[in-house]
Amino acid sequence: SAVISQKPSRDICQRGTSLTIQCQVDSQVTMMFWYRQQPGQSLTLIATANQGSEATYESGFVIDKFPISRPNLTFSTLTVSNMSPEDSSIYLCSVYTGQAAYEQYFGPGTRLTVT
Amino acid sequence: GENVEQHPSTLSVQEGDSAVIKCTYSDSASNYFPWYKQELGKRPQLIIDIRSNVGEKKDQRIAVTLNKTAKHFSLHITETQPEDSAVYFCAASPDSSASKIIFGSGTRLSIRP
Repeated sequence: SAVISQKPSRDICQRGTSLTIQCQVDSQVTMMFWYRQQPGQSLTLIATANQGSEATYESGFVIDKFPISRPNLTFSTLTVSNMSPEDSSIYLCSVYTGQAAYEQYFGPGTRLTVT
Repeated sequence: GENVEQHPSTLSVQEGDSAVIKCTYSDSASNYFPWYKQELGKRPQLIIDIRSNVGEKKDQRIAVTLNKTAKHFSLHITETQPEDSAVYFCAASPDSSASKIIFGSGTRLSIRP
């Protein structure tokens, strides 16, 4: 399986500010995804990060709030913009290796607290 | 779009007994069904998955069954151990490329000693 790292691992931010989360993979991967996991909840897909094109956002998530970059096949960033306390969550990237089993693996997550 | 329902939300079983978690999905085009285990403070870990061309898959103490007609799939854990305590998520992939997966709401499994 791919080795995935995220930075930062956690942060405490003030409302109205923005935070950029980085996701790095140790091998080239076809698909990268960004999820949000609110406290005690399941995982909700924010968007699919496409290399060389704009991200594909799920219903309820917009580019102005969650801009995403995917400059190459091993790296992506998610920015949480103009934060409010409701954005306090764990943000996880995941990758799909494209191999036969369609397996998705998750990064360790970024725990964001907005005060 | 795809909707995955999971139950129960919490489950407590005696150590050594079996645990069963059930999920239903709505999109008949879904063809890939993974299960993830998430321990407290950690990332979700893929523990087993099943494709739509098989009805059952087993890996040591865990097994997954799939009924495509009824759009049901289940996770079975036998001979439960304390380290099985975690939150378990089922998921379904709604498109043929299996690239996007939709998660169920999760089941918090507790193993009583």
